[in-house]
Amino acid sequence: DIQMTQSPSSVSVPVGDGVTITCRASQGIRASLAWYQQKPGKAPKLLIYAASSLQSGVPSRFSGRGSGTDFTLTIDSLQPEDFATYYCQQTTSFPLTFGGGTRVDIK
Amino acid sequence: EVQLLDSGGGLVQPGWSLRLSCEASGFTFNTYAMAWVRQAPGRGLEWVSTISANGGATYYAKSVKGRFTISRDNSKNTLYLQMNGLGVEDAALYYCARDSPRYTFDFWGQGTLVTVSS
Repeated sequence: DIQMTQSPSSVSVPVGDGVTITCRASQGIRASLAWYQQKPGKAPKLLIYAASSLQSGVPSRFSGRGSGTDFTLTIDSLQPEDFATYYCQQTTSFPLTFGGGTRVDIK
Repeated sequence: EVQLLDSGGGLVQPGWSLRLSCEASGFTFNTYAMAWVRQAPGRGLEWVSTISANGGATYYAKSVKGRFTISRDNSKNTLYLQMNGLGVEDAALYYCARDSPRYTFDFWGQGTLVTVSS
């Protein structure tokens, strides 16, 4: 199975600052990676697919990069609605696996 | 508008069975693979199972293989998850999700809660 490791597990950021979250795969997955945002009590929401493609309707302050084993999600100028938990997921093969999540809090 | 309506969750005792349903609308259901993803309270996301658009192919997480069965009725635009031999480790919020693009989940249901307790 492909293990997905996210870091940090949590981070506190002031409104208006940027943040970068890292996701590492235990083996190469090309660009087969998705990022999701989840707010408390809500279903996850797809942000990025194929490592860097922005899902329709997602603000351009979200961006994804990477290929192989190392990936990043960057949020430029955090807005109050961006405080949530973020998950990466490998989309290359079964069993599909998620990272452990990164909680982004307001500082 | 794409909508996925999860239902069927509840409180069951260990060893019991439960069938979850997910009613889909707003898209051509029989052209999309579908999946179940679960989340234990306070925990992260765990993929459970995926079924192809025509139902001919199914995939399972090791933790549920042999106990859970995913199926779909394309005439009813409905996805199912039959869960047998439930254990406390299966207690979670279960989401159905549309698979698009490949192995990515672009729309999610609101989730249905499964509680396993004696």
